[in-house]
Amino acid sequence: DAKTTQPNSMESNEEEPVHLPCNHSTISGTDYIHWYRQLPSQGPEYVIHGLTSNVNNRMASLAIAEDRKSSTLILHRATLRDAAVYYCILREVWGGSNYKLTFGKGTLLTVNP
Amino acid sequence: EAGVTQFPSHSVIEKGQTVTLRCDPISGHDNLYWYRRVMGKEIKFLLHFVKESKQDESGMPNNRFLAERTGGTYSTLKVQPAELEDSGVYFCASSARGISPLHFGNGTRLTVT
Repeated sequence: DAKTTQPNSMESNEEEPVHLPCNHSTISGTDYIHWYRQLPSQGPEYVIHGLTSNVNNRMASLAIAEDRKSSTLILHRATLRDAAVYYCILREVWGGSNYKLTFGKGTLLTVNP
Repeated sequence: EAGVTQFPSHSVIEKGQTVTLRCDPISGHDNLYWYRRVMGKEIKFLLHFVKESKQDESGMPNNRFLAERTGGTYSTLKVQPAELEDSGVYFCASSARGISPLHFGNGTRLTVT
């Protein structure tokens, strides 16, 4: 399984930007980079994904290094509701349509008021 | 649209008993996944259905676990007989075709005593 490395925890202040890093040096050419987060007592929630180019959506931005060996999830203005465990996951695709997510330990983000 | 729904939200059973967990995916989603997190561990993949067919069941821990998805709609995960180490949170997720994001339910917390 392709693996990712994330810091165990990070801390931010409310209303400030947060940059969550992820290393994935063994990424293959067909792996998509996905980010999910898990709020307390809930199931994981999709945040964003990308392949090569940077991506933006209403929740966050994803910056992907040119060599694709690392990426950064950017929350532009952290809120208390963003406190969660953030997972950086390589979406392995094989057989044309078969794929699964392999969760690591993730980064526990604490947001201070 | 309604999200992924899991029943029950909590279940407490004794060792040796049987428990059946149910997952209702988002309507129209062909892909259905089961994951679980046991105490202190990472979220682990169990299996993947495409419609009613088991596409990948490599994560099923042993033959005490049986997953079904009759008619390609809802799915059940039966544990028989339950053991102490089966305690954890069982998540179901669904997705449309392709590399669409997974939508997770809030999980079933299973406690085996």
